[in-house]
Order: sequence, then structure tokens, then C-alpha cells
Amino acid sequence: GESVGLHLPTLSVQEGDNSIINCAYSNSASDYFIWYKQESGKGPQFIIDIRSNMDKRQGQRVTVLLNKTVKHLSLQIAATQPGDSAVYFCAEKADTGRRALTFGSGTRLQVQP
Amino acid sequence: DTGVSQDPRHKITKRGQNVTFRCDPISEHNRLYWYRQTLGQGPEFLTYFQNEAQLEKSRLLSDRFSAERPKGSFSTLEIQRTEQGDSAMYLCATIPRAGRETQYFGPGTRLLVL
Repeated sequence: GESVGLHLPTLSVQEGDNSIINCAYSNSASDYFIWYKQESGKGPQFIIDIRSNMDKRQGQRVTVLLNKTVKHLSLQIAATQPGDSAVYFCAEKADTGRRALTFGSGTRLQVQP
Repeated sequence: DTGVSQDPRHKITKRGQNVTFRCDPISEHNRLYWYRQTLGQGPEFLTYFQNEAQLEKSRLLSDRFSAERPKGSFSTLEIQRTEQGDSAMYLCATIPRAGRETQYFGPGTRLLVL
């Protein structure tokens, strides 16, 4: 299928290592944040989300960290697997009545076997 | 598979033609969004429906674009007089009823305007 994000920043890791994908956001009014995984030719797939009243949330093999002081979000993937290879997007939603997500530019994760 | 379906998955058209895309949301998801995604970029918001009401439109949604959601179920996005710059992936996302924020995306419709 057609590639998503031909010129994205790329993180290359070895299978079994932990991965950390970072995201900076700009809107201090954002109160909800979400990470999506997107494989080539597919729509974004929900991974994990977090509200601004939290600074950490864990899922299965994934952890999201939120630092509101520096407006930074990170996604940690434990024991990265080849199936984790994809483009990862962070998105934010502001508590201003606007209901749409604003997406970052994405990071390509390549997992080497 | 999120349960959100989109049709067609791919569309090739000539400049100046009209195209229409359809999104079928997960049953009982009353909020529906359309986004556009170009290569190398994250999705960009186009428009939002709550039930059948179109409550928000992006400035990206020019007058050649129109979206509908009759009866608050499926939605259609029409592009009239397509231009090469309209080539993109068009994504639909839905949210369950009040109290939730997670948007579940469909597989998208890839449009190529020649």
C-alpha cells in the first residue's frame, strides 16, 4: 500500500527494546491528548489517551506521559515488536468548545528484527 | 477494525469531476468527524456532526465541499469540481455518546485527482 509520511522523523529500534516517541504541543488550553498508530494505507488506530488532570497513564505495553509545564507528551512502548512498526501521531483537543482533534506531524517507528 | 466503514476505499477522478464519499459510523455513535490527510502530515479537521446537525466546519472546507448526515446515521462528503490539490486521504471518525472523547477512525478513502 501507499506509504504514510514519506518524510517523517524516524525512530529505529531493535525488536525487544523499549521505544519512546515524543510530541510537543502548543495549545496550553488543551485538556485531552491521544496517541494513534497508523499503518500504511489504513486509518489511524487508537492506542491510548490521557486527560490533562493526569501525568501518566498505562495500557498494555504502552505508557503515555504528559508534562504540562513544558507542553510535552510521550509514548513509551515496552518490548517493541515488528508489528509496532508504523507512523505514530499525537493529537490534542482544547477545552474551548471546539470538538476536533489537532494532530502533530507524526513519527515513523521502524522495528528491526 | 474499528467498525467505522468508508466507501469507496480508493477513487481516481479527473480534474473538474464531482466525487462523493460515504462513512458508516459505529452504531449509536452520535458524533462524526471528517478529516483530510495528505502525505507526510497528520489528519486535518474538516467538519463535525452531532447527530444530523453539522456543528462545526473548518476553513479548509471550501465552498466546493459539502457534507451531510441525514437522519444522524451515515454521512457523505462531496467534492465538486475537483482539483489536483484535493488529492488526499479522507478519513471519517466517530465518538460514542456523551462523556467520551476517543475518536475511532475508519480506513479512509484515498482520492487521486488527475
